[in-house]
Amino acid sequence: DQQVKQNSPSLSVQEGRISILNCDYTNSMFDYFLWYKKYPAEGPTFLISISSIKDKNEDGRFTVFLNKSAKHLSLHIVPSQPGDSAVYFCAASGTSYGKLTFGQGTILTVHP
Amino acid sequence: DGGITQSPKYLFRKEGQNVTLSCEQNLNHDAMYWYRQDPGQGLRLIYYSQIVNDFQKGDIAEGYSVSREKKESFPLTVTSAQKNPTAFYLCASSSPSGKAYNEQFFGPGTRLTVL
Repeated sequence: DQQVKQNSPSLSVQEGRISILNCDYTNSMFDYFLWYKKYPAEGPTFLISISSIKDKNEDGRFTVFLNKSAKHLSLHIVPSQPGDSAVYFCAASGTSYGKLTFGQGTILTVHP
Repeated sequence: DGGITQSPKYLFRKEGQNVTLSCEQNLNHDAMYWYRQDPGQGLRLIYYSQIVNDFQKGDIAEGYSVSREKKESFPLTVTSAQKNPTAFYLCASSSPSGKAYNEQFFGPGTRLTVL
C-alpha cells in the first residue's frame, strides 16, 4: 500500500520556467512533509519541508504548498535551472518518531 | 566536517554469501536508518534505530540484520536469505534536537551487486 505517491515519473521543463512537482498521500496521520533532491549514485539531500499547520513554505526559488483537505502537496521551483535536474522525492512523517515514508520520485530535467 | 560515511561505495557479492555494509556518522545524531532504493522506486525502510542497543524492523526487514553498539555506527548485514539483494543502499541519521526532528541526513550510498 503506497501511502505517498508521486504519479509523474518524469518532468521536463525549459530553463527559466516554473517546475511543479506533485505528491499525494493517503495517511491522515502524516503531519510533516519534506522534499529531497537526489543525484545519481549519491544520497538524497534535504531541500524544503512543511508542517501540517501551514499551507505554504518558501525558501528562495523553492516553495512547497500543502492542501490538507486534498492530501496533496506540491513543490514549485522558479526559475528552473539546469542544475536542478535530479530526482525529487516527497516524504512524509507521522507520529512515529523520525520515520519517513517516501514517494517513488520524479525525475526533473531542465533544458538550457 | 560532520557527516555520514558509507563504505564501500561499490560492493560485489556471490550468491549465498553474507555481506556487511558500513555506516558511520559524526553528527551526534541519536537515530539512524537503512533504506534500499531500486530503479523506479522510492526509498524503502529496512531497519531503524532510535538509540544505542535498540532497533526496529522497517517495511522490508526480511533477509537483513543490524546492530547498534555505538551511537556513531549502524552496520547492515545483507544475508543469503535476502532474495533480491542487488540494490542501492542508503544510510541516514536524524536528531530530535534538530530544527526538524524528522529531517534525515543521508550518506552517499553503497551499490551492492550480487553476481
